Amino acid sequence: EIVLTQSPGTLSLSPGERATLSCRTSQSISSSYLAWYQQKPGQAPRLLIYAASSRATGIPDRFSGSGSGTDFTLTISRLDPEDFAFYYCQQYSSSPQTFGGGTKVEIK
Amino acid sequence: QVRLVASGGAVAQPGGSLRLSCAASGFSFNRYGMHWVRQAPGKGLEWVAVTSYDETNKNYADSVKGRFTISRDNSKNTLYLQMNSLRAEDTAVYYCAKDYGYSGHYYFDAWGQGTPVTVSS
Repeated sequence: EIVLTQSPGTLSLSPGERATLSCRTSQSISSSYLAWYQQKPGQAPRLLIYAASSRATGIPDRFSGSGSGTDFTLTISRLDPEDFAFYYCQQYSSSPQTFGGGTKVEIK
Repeated sequence: QVRLVASGGAVAQPGGSLRLSCAASGFSFNRYGMHWVRQAPGKGLEWVAVTSYDETNKNYADSVKGRFTISRDNSKNTLYLQMNSLRAEDTAVYYCAKDYGYSGHYYFDAWGQGTPVTVSS
């Protein structure tokens, strides 16, 4: 199975700052079949990005995804107070679909 | 508006069984793959099982293979997870999730609120 490694484990930033989250896969992902999800405590995950760089419906344009092959990035251009949460990447290039271990974005 | 409501979570003894349900509404349930994903306390997300729109293709995580069975009733717009031979490590919040496509091979574009399962004696 494809292993996803997210870094850093925790990102401590202030509102208004830029957040850059990394997701590396153990094998190349075909057709950029990579998604990003946001999860707040006590809530279900929410789809942010699919196909590495396409924003899901209703997602603000401060969220952007990039990358290909084995290296992918989620960027939040200016952190809003509601953006402090956990973020997970997921590959759906091959079965089983797998998730990264997550990055916590916390208020500094 | 897509809505997924998971239920059936409870406290069960090791070796016991539980059946989770996920009631779907707001979309054509019989046209999409569906998944179960779980999250152990304080841990990340773990994909558990998938069924295609018509149940012709199903797949399971190695950690639950042979113990869990995913199924669906398209006439009732409901997804199920039969969990047998439960272990302490199955303790988690279980989410149902809708796949983008019919096969269940894509990303999850809608999630239920989760139902908690605790396996303890």
